[in-house]
Parts: sequence; structure tokens; C-alpha cells
Amino acid sequence: GAVVSQHPSWVICKSGTSVKIECRSLDFQATTMFWYRQFPKQSLMLMATSNEGSKATYEQGVEKDKFLINHASLTLSTLTVTSAHPEDSSFYICSARDPLLRTSRSNEQFFGPGTRLTVL
Amino acid sequence: QKEVEQDPGPLSVPEGAIVSLNCTYSNSAFQYFMWYRQYSRKGPELLMYTYSSGNKEDGRFTAQVDKSSKYISLFIRDSQPSDSATYLCAMSVRSNYQLIWGAGTKLIIKP
Repeated sequence: GAVVSQHPSWVICKSGTSVKIECRSLDFQATTMFWYRQFPKQSLMLMATSNEGSKATYEQGVEKDKFLINHASLTLSTLTVTSAHPEDSSFYICSARDPLLRTSRSNEQFFGPGTRLTVL
Repeated sequence: QKEVEQDPGPLSVPEGAIVSLNCTYSNSAFQYFMWYRQYSRKGPELLMYTYSSGNKEDGRFTAQVDKSSKYISLFIRDSQPSDSATYLCAMSVRSNYQLIWGAGTKLIIKP
């Protein structure tokens, strides 16, 4: 159980275009999803917390207008990188919490396989 | 100073060795401690989840929490090449709360 998928697994785009990444919880309903960014040989950097039906909460330094997050349903959150530039090239990973987990493990996050974005 | 410190490595050991991975932290309010394993170009997967101090064992893996020293460890016995990955520690103040991550330690098990 607790499987999270991401699509696409990798994408190459031209500078100035927008790219949408989908994150889905396959066998549970996720009220909260997280979007991370990871540069090579570095740890996860939390970009934003996405709550179903409300606006995402962005971490300091993350541009809301550049990284648009939509959590329209309990099983789907999307991250759109708008007007992508080469410096946006990175590994983007989403995770989700299963609210039905017993309280002691309710902060456990289940991760998707990640999306590698390359902006030319 | 970061809230969670973790040596990025790489740590290279021969197959069969016992591996010790560690994280230190500064916030004494942390109560939930996790270890995740991440293979190259993949998302992290949860290995161990512990609450408060003590040891927890699962197969070849043992997680240890020492809250008095603000120090957590992950031990891997009988290490195998398939254990080669980056190991990230994560912790939080309470359940249903944001995770604070270590930098991750890259582990290499040599056949």
C-alpha cells in the first residue's frame, strides 16, 4: 500500500516553455502532498506543502508564480514550472501523507519516483 | 548551524562489513526519527521509523536514538552491494508535522 506515482519520469524542454508534473497517490487519499527539489549529490529541499482544496504553502525563497501547485483532488497534485530556464533543471520529487495511518506515524511521507527535468 | 547534520560521505566499505550511519541534531523537541534510503535517480523509501529514545531492529537494520546526546544512528549488518545508496535521516517535532532532513550520506558497498 501507500504507493505514489509521478508523471513524467523525465522531461526535456526548451527554455521559456512550461512543464507540468503530476503526482498521484494510487491506493490512498492524500490530504497533504509535498514537493521537493533535489540537485545532484544534495539532499531534498522542500519547495511547498500542498493541501487538497486550498492554496499551497511555499517555503521561503520559492517563487509562487514560477512553481504553480494545484491539489485539486485527494489523489492528485500538480506542479507546473512556468517559463522554465536552464537553472530550473533538477530532480523534482513529490511525497504524500496517508491520513489514515495511526497517529504515531501520521507524519510518514511516501515518495514518488521523481521527475528529472532538463531545460535546454 | 543546520538543525540536522549528516556527513555526506561517500562512505565506502567492503561487503559484509557493519555500517554505521549517523545524524546529529540541535532541536531537543524532535521526537520522531526516520531513515530513508534513496537509490540514484529514484525517490526515497522509508527504512526505519522510531519514536523517542531506544533501539529498533528490522532484519539487518537497527535504528538507534539517543535523545540525551541528540544523536541517531542506523546500523546495517552484513552489508551487501545492493545496500549502496544514499541514506537520509529525517525528524520532526510531532506527528503530522513537517520533516527536517539531513543532507544524506552516500554509501558504497564494495564486492
